[in-house]
Order: sequence, then structure tokens, then C-alpha cells
Amino acid sequence: DVKVTQSSRYLVKRTGEKVFLECVQDMDHENMFWYRQDPGLGLRLIYFSYDVKMKEKGDIPEGYSVSREKKERFSLILESASTNQTSMYLCASTVALNEQFFGPGTRLTVL
Amino acid sequence: KNQVEQSPQSLIILEGKNCTLQCNYTVSPFSNLRWYKQDTGRGPVSLTIMTFSENTKSNGRYTATLDADTKQSSLHITASQLSDSASYICVVSLKAAGNKLTFGGGTRVLVKP
Repeated sequence: DVKVTQSSRYLVKRTGEKVFLECVQDMDHENMFWYRQDPGLGLRLIYFSYDVKMKEKGDIPEGYSVSREKKERFSLILESASTNQTSMYLCASTVALNEQFFGPGTRLTVL
Repeated sequence: KNQVEQSPQSLIILEGKNCTLQCNYTVSPFSNLRWYKQDTGRGPVSLTIMTFSENTKSNGRYTATLDADTKQSSLHITASQLSDSASYICVVSLKAAGNKLTFGGGTRVLVKP
């Protein structure tokens, strides 16, 4: 069973804080993804990584950065959180062109 | 304009009844189309995946169909159960662009007893 875990289910931060969202997968998948999900907008891709230390911008990378130091771990970083980054954040992993497996999500609120 | 449109946005049905969700897409060429189920507060979980050449795929009480000519897919839920209450998301995978996924906005289904 593929397991994708995210460090927090719920997170509350203040404007201007640095925020780290961690994602870990246990199936040796090369590809990992970070999405945000907002009502009416569906899932939007922020960043993805196809190998250790490799990263690619998705559709909405502004205000975010990522880190992939180990194959199993993909971190999303909000350098200076803003209220418009309040959202549900979903991590996913996959092998090649196959199905993406999603983590449980982190609901982030920025006050 | 979203390249993957789902309808209806929300749906309320009585337990035991059937329902059909629609997905129209404009992205092409695509490598596969997937339906995901997302329970409230959880990540999406895959229900079905179909390639260009497949026109139907079943997973228990869930049956997905695909018409590549009209670029339409549907998800049929048979004999609905309370646990079917969730959002259902249609996802199209582009053959080019590194197999990038394009997500529909989802249909929220509520099954009432």
C-alpha cells in the first residue's frame, strides 16, 4: 500500500511567518507534486520534482519554494505567509506516468 | 476557461438511487482520464483510469465511460450509499508536457438516507 504522509493536518500561522509543509512517501517514487485546492478552482499545481534536488515550477509557483534533498521527502516552503495562501495543500507522488497517490492534505490558515 | 469542466457542481441523491456525473474536456492529446473520489478533509483517491482506447471501466459500484470523439466522460454511481458522499474529480493527463494533470473543479455529491 502506497503511503503518502503530510506533517500536519491543520496549521494556523500569522502573516509574514515562514511556513514549512512536509511530505513523505514510502514507495520510492521519483515524482512528487505539491498542489493547492481552493473552492471553485479545483487543484492547482504549485511545484513538482522528478528527482532528488530537481524541481520544476507548476502553474502557480509565486510565493512558494520547494526542497527535495531526499527521494522520499518533498517540502513546500512559504517564505513569508500571506492571507491569500490560506488553502488546502495536497502532496502527491507517482512513478513515471502512472497514477498519482495523494496525501491526506494540510489545511493551512494564515491570519 | 478551465479545460476540464464538470457538471453538476453539486448533487443530492437518496440512498439507493443511481446518479451520473459528467466531465467535458478540451485538452488534447491526452494519455489518460481518471476519476478521483475525495472525502471531506482528505486527499483524493483514485477510482478509475482510462486510456484513449478504452471506453468503459468499472470499480465496484462506480462505472466510468469515455467518448474520445466528443471528449466526454461520465461517472455512474449505482445503488448509492451514504459513504458515497464526497467530491468526485475528473482529471485529464496530457500526453505532452510531461504527463501534466489538468483537474476539473469536482462535483460534490451528498447521499441522504
